[in-house]
Amino acid sequence: SYVLTQPPSVSVAPGQTARITCGGNNIGSKSVHWYQQKPGQAPVLVVYDDSDRPSGIPERFSGSNSGNTATLTISRVEAGDEADYYCQVWDSSSDRVVFGGGTKLTVL
Amino acid sequence: QVQLVQSGAEVKKPGASVKVSCKASGYTFTSYDINWVRQATGQGLEWMGWMNPNSGNTGYAQKFQGRVTMTRNTSISTAYMELSSLRSEDTAVYYCARDRSIPAALIYDYWGQGTLVTVSS
Repeated sequence: SYVLTQPPSVSVAPGQTARITCGGNNIGSKSVHWYQQKPGQAPVLVVYDDSDRPSGIPERFSGSNSGNTATLTISRVEAGDEADYYCQVWDSSSDRVVFGGGTKLTVL
Repeated sequence: QVQLVQSGAEVKKPGASVKVSCKASGYTFTSYDINWVRQATGQGLEWMGWMNPNSGNTGYAQKFQGRVTMTRNTSISTAYMELSSLRSEDTAVYYCARDRSIPAALIYDYWGQGTLVTVSS
């Protein structure tokens, strides 16, 4: 079955750039979506179809996807960006939605 | 504004069933698929399946086949997820989530607040 691999944690200072990776076999051939989840809250879609942003999501959130790695980039990180981030794809071979294990972003 | 409001927390014994509801408002309920995703405490997100509220068609993750049933009542814009033969490993927060696209793209733009289901003897 298809597996998405994320680093458990990423730390960044305020104002710097955070990059959260999502690895998968030939993930570049799939559409990748990213969710932000703060403690006790439901996930929020922040990037879809690799690099598109839903309305209301700041331009500081961007995404890319190529080869075996998709990346969520958060520019000018703020304290309010501290959260867990999950990548997600549809795996057609197994007919199921797959989530990465999640990455905890810590703002130092 | 789009809202998905779920039913309250449940405590069930092993072997029992649980039925969680998800009431939609602020949009045409039958136009967008509803999916269910669960999250055990301190763990990641796990997809359970989808339902088309218009047709009633469903698709379930293989892991839950035979134990999960997703239904709807269009007259009250409510989706349901029933999970049977509960075991302790089913203890989790269960979320309903709306697909953002027509036709469905399995991208979730609105989520319910979550329903905690605790399975304990």
